[in-house]
Amino acid sequence: NAGVTQTPKFQVLKTGQSMTLQCAQDMNHNSMYWYRQDPGMGLRLIYYSASEGTTDKGEVPNGYNVSRLNKREFSLRLESAAPSQTSVYFCASSAGQGASQPQHFGDGTRLSIL
Amino acid sequence: AQSVTQLGSHVSVSEGALVLLRCNYSSSVPPYLFWYVQYPNQGLQLLLKYTTGATLVKGINGFEAEFKKSETSFHLTKPSAHMSDAAEYFCAVTAASTGYSTLTFGKGTMLLVSP
Repeated sequence: NAGVTQTPKFQVLKTGQSMTLQCAQDMNHNSMYWYRQDPGMGLRLIYYSASEGTTDKGEVPNGYNVSRLNKREFSLRLESAAPSQTSVYFCASSAGQGASQPQHFGDGTRLSIL
Repeated sequence: AQSVTQLGSHVSVSEGALVLLRCNYSSSVPPYLFWYVQYPNQGLQLLLKYTTGATLVKGINGFEAEFKKSETSFHLTKPSAHMSDAAEYFCAVTAASTGYSTLTFGKGTMLLVSP
């Protein structure tokens, strides 16, 4: 029962470098999400994909792009990393589009940008 | 639009004492409410949720929460704290809808349990 798998778990980048964070779920869920977690800020939604083939901006999309590669995979790309993007990134998925569906989270990617 | 306020970034209790974590929400439409728990270096796990029906909902690990519409609150309680309950807890709200709606999280409350 892997659930939601994120790779890598840790990464250090230099300012200006690019990187793609990978996320895959094996629960046949329709919806997937990317969050960032910063101390004292809770989780803030970056982008989400309500269903395969669609993506939408969340609360803090600037500096990021996403790709819903297929139903299982949803990647997050930083084109030109900045120190302000140092954070813990979480991917999540949920079964359907109904608001009552709980989200299932991966264990996070800890990203440091120097 | 929805918002969540969690009162107290840190709450300290002794083992065996009552746990009370406060959550107030704001929503222009009927809400669905969730509590998640995060252990160190892990993702969030669902503790319990309120959608419709009974306003007192029970979750995992002995936690429960009561939806009080008049007070716009969804406080989390546990009668007797255990050392293993030490974690960060997040309250979240979304709009009750048959269509799509995203979650809005509170800033979290760290629960510290002392022997």
